[in-house]
Amino acid sequence: KAGVTQTPRYLIKTRGQQVTLSCSPISGHRSVSWYQQTPGQGLQFLFEYFSETQRNKGNFPGRFSGRQFSNSRSEMNVSTLELGDSALYLCASSLASGSTYEQYFGPGTRLTVT
Amino acid sequence: AQSVAQPEDQVNVAEGNPLTVKCTYSVSGNPYLFWYVQYPNRGLQFLLKYITGDNLVKGSYGFEAEFNKSQTSFHLKKPSALVSDSALYFCAVRDYGSSNTGKLIFGQGTTLQVKP
Repeated sequence: KAGVTQTPRYLIKTRGQQVTLSCSPISGHRSVSWYQQTPGQGLQFLFEYFSETQRNKGNFPGRFSGRQFSNSRSEMNVSTLELGDSALYLCASSLASGSTYEQYFGPGTRLTVT
Repeated sequence: AQSVAQPEDQVNVAEGNPLTVKCTYSVSGNPYLFWYVQYPNRGLQFLLKYITGDNLVKGSYGFEAEFNKSQTSFHLKKPSALVSDSALYFCAVRDYGSSNTGKLIFGQGTTLQVKP
């Protein structure tokens, strides 16, 4: 079974631009979560989607948004990029939304903002 | 608020020796705990989880973790370390404040260095 895929793997953007990252979950998985990983802040939760509905959102500004499609694929968007948005963005999928389900992570998208 | 602490930034061990990566947690209810490993330029790989039941949980690649409720710990262990185990290890707990959603709270990570 194929794992979680994320596109693109690497991205370089300029301050003020916007970016869209894509995540395809493992087949059959209906829940998708997004995390930001930086050396200073570590791994921080962005949001979780299940059945096209946002179930939870982390403490990030409104510039960060996401959505999930009917096939469970998810996208996240960051508008008006800032230098501090440079990070590894990780997508994770699980069978369903809930405390006991383990999450399987994709390889991440490395975003660099210049 | 739920939290996870990994008190060691780095753990060094010789190949063939047992290894332990420490994790302590703070939750308001029953803890759901996870260990993940991250290799350079890769995403996180799931190793094991504790939901309920036996305090000793066995996972992938020969790793196991011991849940200790009285000490609020969930240390990762392996009887015999391999050089290929060298990576960044994360302990995580489910956030109970999120109405049973999938949100994970991660520790800061521990770098494991296994030397030949």
